[in-house]
Amino acid sequence: GEDVEQSLFLSVREGDSSVINCTYTDSSSTYLYWYKQEPGAGLQLLTYIFSNMDMKQDQRLTVLLNKKDKHLSLRIADTQTGDSAIYFCAESIRGDKLVFGAGTILRVKS
Amino acid sequence: EPEVTQTPSHQVTQMGQEVILRCVPISNHLYFYWYRQILGQKVEFLVSFYNNEISEKSEIFDDQFSVERPDGSNFTLKIRSTKLEDSAMYFCASSWDSYGSYEQYFGPGTRLTVT
Repeated sequence: GEDVEQSLFLSVREGDSSVINCTYTDSSSTYLYWYKQEPGAGLQLLTYIFSNMDMKQDQRLTVLLNKKDKHLSLRIADTQTGDSAIYFCAESIRGDKLVFGAGTILRVKS
Repeated sequence: EPEVTQTPSHQVTQMGQEVILRCVPISNHLYFYWYRQILGQKVEFLVSFYNNEISEKSEIFDDQFSVERPDGSNFTLKIRSTKLEDSAMYFCASSWDSYGSYEQYFGPGTRLTVT
């Protein structure tokens, strides 16, 4: 079945890069997403990548996909205190129903 | 920027009561979803809705749950007889406009507390 795993916590210093990792089990996953959740708020879509891509860059965000290892990462360059949040990885086979990981808490120290 | 809205932000109800959670999806989207997040647990898929019918539902979405799109804008989740374990944050989402975008946007959630 589908399962998505993430590390629970990451702490970085302001200005450093953050790398949040995710692994998934379903090789049929076609779309992979990153969402951000700030305290008391909903899930904000950051970016998504198709499984036929290896990398996608969007300003400070870089997504890397290793389809062979079923490994997805989100790199945030020049991490700011405003990036402190929970980051969720999610997969989808057809681009509809999402299966989420448990979320990684990112703490940015100034 | 278009956004998904949900009301109410917080709902407190007694066990056995019916609740209706409301959502207004993004206007040109075609797929609508409900997810829930029990405190400290993963976000879980409940149901997807397309072309005025349920397209997929999870094991959680039993006979106590129903969804409806009563008019051209609202999308509702009804829980017929709430249980304590229904206490969670419920998120509505929408996706897939006519251009085939797979971006799925979420509302701010409704926190349901069953006492």
